[in-house]
Amino acid sequence: GDSVTQMEGPVTLSEEAFLTINCTYTATGYPSLFWYVQYPGEGLQLLLKATKADDKGSNKGFEATYRKETTSFHLEKGSVQVSDSAVYFCALKPGNTGKLIFGQGTTLQVKP
Amino acid sequence: DVKVTQSSRYLVKRTGEKVFLECVQDMDHENMFWYRQDPGLGLRLIYFSYDVKMKEKGDIPEGYSVSREKKERFSLILESASTNQTSMYLCASSWGQGVFYEQYFGPGTRLTVT
Repeated sequence: GDSVTQMEGPVTLSEEAFLTINCTYTATGYPSLFWYVQYPGEGLQLLLKATKADDKGSNKGFEATYRKETTSFHLEKGSVQVSDSAVYFCALKPGNTGKLIFGQGTTLQVKP
Repeated sequence: DVKVTQSSRYLVKRTGEKVFLECVQDMDHENMFWYRQDPGLGLRLIYFSYDVKMKEKGDIPEGYSVSREKKERFSLILESASTNQTSMYLCASSWGQGVFYEQYFGPGTRLTVT
């Protein structure tokens, strides 16, 4: 079945460091891909998304490119801030359903 | 702004109790979802609903039931709570298809069963 695999955390970075969180997926057909973020004590909120191959989603300095050839959707940010400390979830939506399938989440801690 | 609210942020119940978790959304979304979130396991879908009075099982429905009598409200029921149901429960709603698809989440209910 369809699935999402994220790199294990926690990831600890210093402020202004470069961030990559890896995400790979297994799916039939043409899924849409998402990154959600969960700040401490809150629910999840959509960070960015891509609906077809080679699309790049971007928001708040974060980017991810839908790579069908490598079945990946890695999250990147050039310079992280302390306020980016959160749990990041990669997710896919199979083309024929309204459900999301989530990865296990990656905790990011940014130190000043 | 879309708002998804959950009835409690924290809840403590005893083993064997019947537990109701309520979720309300204010944007007329057709689809509503219940997940549980556990460390290292991500979010797992318990039940979802595409319309009033309709429900479908997700990946881990055992020990849970749901009710959707009105479009804006989706309830999760633990018929007889057990300690392995201690978790964070997240409700979500969604609208749209294709490039417009997005799920909106509530703040979560942290349930402890003792």
